[in-house]
Amino acid sequence: AQKITQTQPGMFVQEKEAVTLDCTYDTSDPSYGLFWYKQPSSGEMIFLIYQGSYDQQNATEGRYSLNFQKARKSANLVISASQLGDSAMYFCAMREGLRGYSSASKIIFGSGTRLSIRP
Amino acid sequence: EPEVTQTPSHQVTQMGQEVILRCVPISNHLYFYWYRQILGQKVEFLVSFYNNEISEKSEIFDDQFSVERPDGSNFTLKIRSTKLEDSAMYFCASSVSGGLQETQYFGPGTRLLVL
Repeated sequence: AQKITQTQPGMFVQEKEAVTLDCTYDTSDPSYGLFWYKQPSSGEMIFLIYQGSYDQQNATEGRYSLNFQKARKSANLVISASQLGDSAMYFCAMREGLRGYSSASKIIFGSGTRLSIRP
Repeated sequence: EPEVTQTPSHQVTQMGQEVILRCVPISNHLYFYWYRQILGQKVEFLVSFYNNEISEKSEIFDDQFSVERPDGSNFTLKIRSTKLEDSAMYFCASSVSGGLQETQYFGPGTRLLVL
């Protein structure tokens, strides 16, 4: 079963509009972390935002915010006032399980959403 | 701002050859990872490394793969006998700790092409 599901393979948005990228996840572990990464055409992976499963507030980082709905197991990324430089692939990812503080738990990625911003 | 670096940025090799991909994690980080991304596909976890030993590995990380921290700064991924299907972007990542909340910072990747 898919752990991370991103149902939008591609999206087109007009510059300056807000955009929501969908992400749902599946885990039975009560402790987990959710991440969003941006991958521009140059290929690097850029960390955007993090949300912990016990965080009471939705995470925000500048123009990025995470709409965390725990009961629905969704963690949508909202980008306000989109810019041309936001055109990229966006990956939702999850880290789950506590195997001890010294563990180095892996990140599981979704299949990504390609966001294109129109001028 | 400190960043993860990787060399080379691109590598082309013949099937059956050995390749070593190099990474320099962020200096105060203790946890290291390799991921790969086959063209057009999702990023997949390969291996995590802490305290000079493998912490976790995926089913992709078979006997053809090995990792090493040969000195205080480098972290390497070796593929002993490359196959066509090893062609992918390989990302190194590091984090301060292995805790759930710790962000893994990724390097720019090495694009490997096996002919």
